[in-house]
Amino acid sequence: DQQVKQNSPSLSVQEGRISILNCDYTNSMFDYFLWYKKYPAEGPTFLISISSIKDKNEDGRFTVFLNKSAKHLSLHIVPSQPGDSAVYFCAASGASSNTGKLIFGQGTTLQVKP
Amino acid sequence: NAGVMQNPRHLVRRRGQEARLRCSPMKGHSHVYWYRQLPEEGLKFMVYLQKENIIDESGMPKERFSAEFPKEGPSILRIQQVVRGDSAAYFCASSQNTEAFFGQGTRLTVV
Repeated sequence: DQQVKQNSPSLSVQEGRISILNCDYTNSMFDYFLWYKKYPAEGPTFLISISSIKDKNEDGRFTVFLNKSAKHLSLHIVPSQPGDSAVYFCAASGASSNTGKLIFGQGTTLQVKP
Repeated sequence: NAGVMQNPRHLVRRRGQEARLRCSPMKGHSHVYWYRQLPEEGLKFMVYLQKENIIDESGMPKERFSAEFPKEGPSILRIQQVVRGDSAAYFCASSQNTEAFFGQGTRLTVV
């Protein structure tokens, strides 16, 4: 029962272009969504989050979009840089006051080519 | 300003032995979470603890696994009588009304 799905295992983009990573969820009770970035042999690093009362949140090169009716969110990285190459995990929480208990997607491996 | 500290980074155990994984949360954080990542999968929630209390253990296997977060010292995830299927990366995270911050993980290999 995969409540958070990242259907693209991998994505390859050219440096300077936009990277778009997608995530779908099934549980309408989720009210807080996060993106984490993970390098090999390291722990996930928090990138950006969005509450269900918003549809967009932006932080520098990173923007997260939330479409509640479609139960879909996406992470946009622009411009993409080679250092962005990593595994990106989408995660959801059912309680915005407790953001440590998370349901993670399977991850998307992003490769940014110089 | 140390982050979440986990040790050891790598742990090798023979089948049937016990594995103890330690996690020191970020300074000021009283909420600790343990996650497991199996190969080619995402992270799966195991347990949520606050000092001296298990708040949510809905993701913990029913047998052989236990966790604690004592009043003093790190949180411990204990796996008794390990089997090959326990081989995975175990991550600890901490939070205090903020996003969760993760440690670097302990990679457990059962041989």
